[in-house]
Amino acid sequence: NAGVTQTPKFRILKIGQSMTLQCTQDMNHNYMYWYRQDPGMGLKLIYYSVGAGITDKGEVPNGYNVSRSTTEDFPLRLELAAPSQTSVYFCASNEQGAGGYTFGSGTRLTVV
Amino acid sequence: GQSLEQPSEVTAVEGAIVQINCTYQTSGFYGLSWYQQHDGGAPTFLSYNALDGLEETGRFSSFLSRSDSYGYLLLQELQMKDSASYFCAVMNRDDKIIFGKGTRLHILP
Repeated sequence: NAGVTQTPKFRILKIGQSMTLQCTQDMNHNYMYWYRQDPGMGLKLIYYSVGAGITDKGEVPNGYNVSRSTTEDFPLRLELAAPSQTSVYFCASNEQGAGGYTFGSGTRLTVV
Repeated sequence: GQSLEQPSEVTAVEGAIVQINCTYQTSGFYGLSWYQQHDGGAPTFLSYNALDGLEETGRFSSFLSRSDSYGYLLLQELQMKDSASYFCAVMNRDDKIIFGKGTRLHILP
């Protein structure tokens, strides 16, 4: 049982490039989330999804896009990378009403 | 708006007990959860309180008072491996979980 899997683990982007952060879970959870964490800070919610075909904005959605075509996958897209998007990105999932998330191991992104 | 307040750092001695407090302000409150994160790692879920009172899981306990918008995490018999950051997080009825900025726990031998 793999849980929540994120790829890649590390990535360096140049300003203006685009990329997709992948997230997949094998627990059949309906709810999935993307957070970013800046050094020494808490986690900020970017986007979330309560089921396939449904997505919604979190606290800091600007500069990002998501899609949820299947229950398992919830990719995060950066279209025009900016230095302010340098961060660690975590994907998480849970069942509706459950108190705790299962997190992926994170993607460390640097934009130069 | 929504906000959570927790101390930025706490220091305690190995074998002792430490309490990390969290106060929150939010609408549509559903429950309070706690996460542990070691440096370079992902957050891991510790506990969740939806009702007032104390929840105990081994050396860790978590408390919630909904009327005071307050909760705490209690760590007993501290071990060096407990050195980490601890986050409180509020779950709202809109299914979003909002995290505090975290408390860094330093443990002295």
